[in-house]
Amino acid sequence: DTEVTQTPKHLVMGMTNKKSLKCEQHMGHRAMYWYKQKAKKPPELMFVYSYEKLSINESVPSRFSPECPNSSLLNLHLHALQPEDSALYLCASSQHRDSTEAFFGQGTRLTVV
Amino acid sequence: GQNIDQPTEMTATEGAIVQINCTYQTSGFNGLFWYQQHAGEAPTFLSYNVLDGLEEKGRFSSFLSRSKGYSYLLLKELQMKDSASYLCAVERNSGNTPLVFGKGTRLSVIA
Repeated sequence: DTEVTQTPKHLVMGMTNKKSLKCEQHMGHRAMYWYKQKAKKPPELMFVYSYEKLSINESVPSRFSPECPNSSLLNLHLHALQPEDSALYLCASSQHRDSTEAFFGQGTRLTVV
Repeated sequence: GQNIDQPTEMTATEGAIVQINCTYQTSGFNGLFWYQQHAGEAPTFLSYNVLDGLEEKGRFSSFLSRSKGYSYLLLKELQMKDSASYLCAVERNSGNTPLVFGKGTRLSVIA
């Protein structure tokens, strides 16, 4: 299994909603990442988890709250988002934080209305 | 700081060869990735260079010169399905950000 699975694939939410994005991998990777990608822009790193601990937070607003319940799962909890937060949210994993190849999920396309 | 430059757009003909350049200035350089990203999809890994020189993988090759802060991705025998964005990404061995992406090069392959 060389896949990173993200759910849902699409999400529309209001500015007062609370929702969660989920990411799962069963490759035994110990580093997991959240990226945000706006249209026609490269992915921007949001968070890095290494061995289930948050190791990097790229100054992301607190309305985005990551969680790593175990080594296979990574969640991104969303609350009180703004329309400008609409983007593709990509999850990736790698064997460990200093390893080379990162595997990306297909992303969750989020629209905030 | 870090800076990664790629051309914004390129157009090439089916069956031809195209070279996409990437220059970078960064501290703690460890290696360089190339990713392919089709519209609406996640990036997929193409290559990883740590040492100077050319790495060939089928129709795609990637070159790195660490002293010049320069890499290129070479695509041969272009096919229509190669129309995509090609992202150069620098891996750092120090600092907080493990992977920094360039802005990407949108390649259009025409008949």
